[in-house]
Amino acid sequence: EDQVTQSPEALRLQEGESSSLNCSYTVSGLRGLFWYRQDPGKGPEFLFTLYSAGEEKEKERLKATLTKKESFLHITAPKPEDSATYLCAVQILTGGGNKLTFGTGTQLKVEL
Amino acid sequence: GAVVSQHPSWVICKSGTSVKIECRSLDFQATTMFWYRQFPKQSLMLMATSNEGSKATYEQGVEKDKFLINHASLTLSTLTVTSAHPEDSSFYICSARRYPGTVSTDTQYFGPGTRLTVL
Repeated sequence: EDQVTQSPEALRLQEGESSSLNCSYTVSGLRGLFWYRQDPGKGPEFLFTLYSAGEEKEKERLKATLTKKESFLHITAPKPEDSATYLCAVQILTGGGNKLTFGTGTQLKVEL
Repeated sequence: GAVVSQHPSWVICKSGTSVKIECRSLDFQATTMFWYRQFPKQSLMLMATSNEGSKATYEQGVEKDKFLINHASLTLSTLTVTSAHPEDSSFYICSARRYPGTVSTDTQYFGPGTRLTVL
């Protein structure tokens, strides 16, 4: 069975304190790994898609990387506005019907 | 961008009534839309996959007669919660898969969600 595990469940950082969020996955065949940001009471906002091991993508203070077993979302010098829940999701190659399987998310709080 | 809207953003209804939620892709065509529900402090759980012009595919454990899905056009899907009960209270979120679905553009874009409260 396809599984997606995110860690830590919650993370509290001081402004400017860089860190990484982890998403480990076990799937039959990965088509793509997606990162989303979700603010309370809102729908997820798309951040990145990664398709193959070794791939990296960056957007402002965020950088996503992918290996054959896991993905990391690196946050460099975070600001309070980066506070949100970060979700990763996987899409499998065959039989998945393009659907996404989500992890439980990492709740990030950045304090002044 | 890729914008998905939902209407209404919140709804309160009495037990036994039906509620319809609309999901629209505003600036792109979506042959496939997805419906999720999310309970507090939990992740998104896929309820069903909606393909334009065909019947929806429901996930295991989701009652298709209770959660009616209609994907009438390439930009509109609706979810109707029939005979709603308090346990149906949740945050319902739709997403739209951008068409054409090449690998490089195969991304789901999410709507802002609809908060349903059944009294």
